[in-house]
Amino acid sequence: ELKVEQNPLFLSMQEGKNYTIYCNYSTTSDRLYWYRQDPGKSLESLFVLLSNGAVKQEGRLMASLDTKARLSTLHITAAVHDLSATYFCAVVRRGSYGGSQGNLIFGKGTKLSVKP
Amino acid sequence: DTEVTQTPKHLVMGMTNKKSLKCEQHMGHRAMYWYKQKAKKPPELMFVYSYEKLSINESVPSRFSPECPNSSLLNLHLHALQPEDSALYLCASSQVIRRQVDRSGGYTFGSGTRLTVV
Repeated sequence: ELKVEQNPLFLSMQEGKNYTIYCNYSTTSDRLYWYRQDPGKSLESLFVLLSNGAVKQEGRLMASLDTKARLSTLHITAAVHDLSATYFCAVVRRGSYGGSQGNLIFGKGTKLSVKP
Repeated sequence: DTEVTQTPKHLVMGMTNKKSLKCEQHMGHRAMYWYKQKAKKPPELMFVYSYEKLSINESVPSRFSPECPNSSLLNLHLHALQPEDSALYLCASSQVIRRQVDRSGGYTFGSGTRLTVV
């Protein structure tokens, strides 16, 4: 059974500080997704990581993927209040014949609060 | 058009009502999904349609009945729901190539339907 674990689940940061959110998953997967969700809103796609060693950056956020360690990180640089949201990582669950059925399995989410 | 459109945005229904949630996309995606998200929890997969055929049913109670009338539309029919079914219902779509989800792309989520069962 595919399990996706994020930590921390809650993160309170000061503006200007750096921090990293971690996402571990239990079975082989070469695709990992990061989403942002604001309260009461839908999911906004941040990054799609498709291969081992993939690194993507957008503004103050940078995501990386290590498929051998089954680990992805979301690094926040010089946090600002606008980054306050819940961040989810998600991994695709493979189908019974080895192919991907495209079922996204989500971590529990990291609720980020950036304070002045 | 790079959006997934869900209607209605909000729905309040009684336990004896029958209602439907609708989802539409015009991106040519051939895989469509229903997810349920309770407050402060991650989304949980309910159903997957691939090429308009139901490919995954995650042991969802029969009071939820999905339908995919064509490649652009996905419905979720609701009947005799319980208050614990109140949640945000998210629709998503993705490409399918060779019967597997497109490795290059991602999943596009709709804005969701906030359902309250009273």
